[in-house]
Amino acid sequence: NAGVTQTPKFQVLKTGQSMTLQCAQDMNHEYMSWYRQDPGMGLRLIHYSVGAGITDQGEVPNGYNVSRSTTEDFPLRLLSAAPSQTSVYFCASTQFLASETQYFGPGTRLLVL
Amino acid sequence: AQTVTQSQPEMSVQEAETVTLSCTYDTSENNYYLFWYKQPPSRQMILVIRQEAYKQQNATENRFSVNFQKAAKSFSLKISDSQLGDTAMYFCAFMSPNSGGSNYKLTFGKGTLLTVNP
Repeated sequence: NAGVTQTPKFQVLKTGQSMTLQCAQDMNHEYMSWYRQDPGMGLRLIHYSVGAGITDQGEVPNGYNVSRSTTEDFPLRLLSAAPSQTSVYFCASTQFLASETQYFGPGTRLLVL
Repeated sequence: AQTVTQSQPEMSVQEAETVTLSCTYDTSENNYYLFWYKQPPSRQMILVIRQEAYKQQNATENRFSVNFQKAAKSFSLKISDSQLGDTAMYFCAFMSPNSGGSNYKLTFGKGTLLTVNP
């Protein structure tokens, strides 16, 4: 049982490049989400999903796309990276009506030049 | 909208002593959960303790305990017998499963950096 995994751990992009941050969980959790962490800002919700095929926006969704084709995977796509997207990205998952506790992946550190 | 405030950006404590981290929140919801997460230098977010708002009894996990004051909307974390490995950023977080479309959104405070000195 690996929990929540994220790849890559660290990535450097140039402005305008695209990339996909991968997130997978093996706990059969229905709810998955993406947060970004910036200095002095805490963590902020980007997008979330309540199950396969269902996604919705969080509080800072601009510049990011998501999809959820399976219960296990929830990738985050940056279509045209900007320096303002330099941040640490966390994926999290939880099971509804269970512990109500969200389990986080190890994070992906992204630097956009 | 819910807000979470951690008024202590940094704190320090001597090894083996006790320290309390403060957290206040604002909500109009009655059913909610509160969490403390620890983030060591590895950046991994680790759950320390959780509290259900409907429970009056304060949660405890080994050396970690909370003082949950629902009327005052306060949720402080007490760390007893502090250890060097407790050095980390600590985040207070709020979740209300009933609040609108983003049912399980966590709202985080800005964090308190705790340093345990030998």
